[in-house]
Amino acid sequence: GAVVSQHPSRVICKSGTSVKIECRSLDFQATTMFWYRQFPKQSLMLMATSNEGSKATYEQGVEKDKFLINHASLTLSTLTVTSAHPEDSSFYICSASYTGSGAGYTFGSGTRLTVV
Amino acid sequence: RKEVEQDPGPFNVPEGATVAFNCTYSNSASQSFFWYRQDCRKEPKLLMSVYSSGNEDGRFTAQLNRASQYISLLIRDSKLSDSATYLCVVNIGSGTYKYIFGTGIRLKVLA
Repeated sequence: GAVVSQHPSRVICKSGTSVKIECRSLDFQATTMFWYRQFPKQSLMLMATSNEGSKATYEQGVEKDKFLINHASLTLSTLTVTSAHPEDSSFYICSASYTGSGAGYTFGSGTRLTVV
Repeated sequence: RKEVEQDPGPFNVPEGATVAFNCTYSNSASQSFFWYRQDCRKEPKLLMSVYSSGNEDGRFTAQLNRASQYISLLIRDSKLSDSATYLCVVNIGSGTYKYIFGTGIRLKVLA
């Protein structure tokens, strides 16, 4: 149980275009999802907390107009990187908290974004 | 002081060795602690939760030292397959869902 499906796993886009990343909780309801970014050889950095039915909460230094988050249902959260630039190239991962045995976070498989 | 700090390593150990990692945290109100494992270019996966009383799962033992504000992970009889990055995860305060990840400790087990 507690599976989060993330798509796409890999995307290459041209500079200036927008990219949408989806995360779905498959067997539980995720009222809260989290979006992280990981640059090479660095740790996961929390970008924003996504709450179903309300506006996302962004971490300091993360542009909310550039990284649009939508959490319209209890099983789906999306992150749209608008007007992507090469410096946005990174590994983006979503996660959701769950309860029960071994409670913690479960992560999506990640999306490797390359902006050329 | 960083909220969560780990020595990034890398730690190169021979197969069969025992290796221990520490992770310090700055917020004394933190209540939830985890160790995650991340393989190269993969998502992190939960390895163990860390309880106040300490917990053990096979070759892995996790402990919490509240007085000194650190958590530890001990791996006994290291296997080649243990090679990965180990991330400690700490919530930033009591009753919050916000978690901070350490930078990760790179472990390489050598044949």
